[in-house]
Parts: sequence; C-alpha cells; structure tokens
Amino acid sequence: SQQGEEDPQALSIQEGENATMNCSYKTSINNLQWYRQNSGRGLVHLILIRSNEREKHSGRLRVTLDTSKKSSSLLITASRAADTASYFCATASISGNTPLVFGKGTRLSVIA
Amino acid sequence: GAVVSQHPSRVICKSGTSVKIECRSLDFQATTMFWYRQFPKQSLMLMATSNEGSKATYEQGVEKDKFLINHASLTLSTLTVTSAHPEDSSFYICSASLQGYEQYFGPGTRLTVT
Repeated sequence: SQQGEEDPQALSIQEGENATMNCSYKTSINNLQWYRQNSGRGLVHLILIRSNEREKHSGRLRVTLDTSKKSSSLLITASRAADTASYFCATASISGNTPLVFGKGTRLSVIA
Repeated sequence: GAVVSQHPSRVICKSGTSVKIECRSLDFQATTMFWYRQFPKQSLMLMATSNEGSKATYEQGVEKDKFLINHASLTLSTLTVTSAHPEDSSFYICSASLQGYEQYFGPGTRLTVT
C-alpha cells in the first residue's frame, strides 16, 4: 500500500521561480528518494537521502528530510520549462530487499 | 550505474490474448525484482515481488493467476498478463534490487488492450 503523500498534487509556476514539493510517510525508513517522470515515460532517479542525513543538494535540487516529522521536501530552484513533469517521492524501508513505496506524486508545470 | 531493460517498450494486444513483458538486469545480478503498475495520472503501485528461483509474492488485490511472474535467472524476470482485458491497459515498470537498498528501474512497458 502507498504510504507517501505528496503535497501539492499539482503545482504551476513561472519559469525562473522556485518549486517546492513535500512528501510525508508513515513508517521508519532507510532512505527516501525522489524521482521525476515525464508524461508517458519511465522514472528518472533524482536524488537519494538517507535517514541519517538532513539535507542534500544536487545541482538545482535541494532535498531535506525530517525523520521526526516523517517528511521530506524537494526544492527546484530557478525552474525551467523542461522541469515540467511529475515528481514522486519513494521510501525504502529499514529492511533490505523490499520494494520502494511511492507517493502519489506532484504534477509540476513550469510556464515559459 | 546499473542498467535494467524492459521489452517490449510498447505493446498493443487484443482482448483475451496474453502478453509477456521481460525485465532484465544488464550488468548485475538481481536476486529480487519488483513489478509495478501505473495507471494514467496515478502513482506506481506495487504488484508483486519476484525472487529468483521461488514463487512471486503478490500484493493484495493482484490476481496471481492473471499476472504470471517467472524469475528464472538472476538477470531475468517476466510478467505475463493472461487473458488481457482493456482494464489491464497500463504502464508496467520493473525494478531490480542490488545489494538490498538500491533499486534500478526499467524504462517501462506501455500495454494497450483493445
């Protein structure tokens, strides 16, 4: 069953603005990952943050993790039209070899 | 990084026929593979966990007799949709597990049942 909840479900911003997406989960995790998916395409792995990490950066992406609140956020700075996609968080449990549990996703539209 | 392939990428079949989707880990051995299904504008939902050499574990609500999973080797798992119906039309994505916590996703297979 899904445990992640993304918020907002849909987000529309102007090019150049920052986009923030949030994710909440319910159980203990080993790590949390963010993925991007363009319409009708496969998943693109963006970033992985481990349970003992609080913040991670990769290019224009910044991810935070608050295990006490069981939540994470993904910030995309200086957004571009090409960032238009659906973004999903996925959690990996503390037990290895278990499937990732995906959130419902945020559909981001960046308007040029 | 590790590469996972899926074949075919797209398939259209007639209602009542069966379709086989292959998931291969190209450069590593995966003891565990996972099959997900994604309906339009929805998230990925786990269908089953496939372990090499043993029977797959299906999630609640997924019919094991309809979605046959075979994990015959450490690099190949197959999903066969038997007697497909239009409601089975979906995007099917596999992932392969490497060393426990790392998973690598295939590019997905778009199934359309007419």
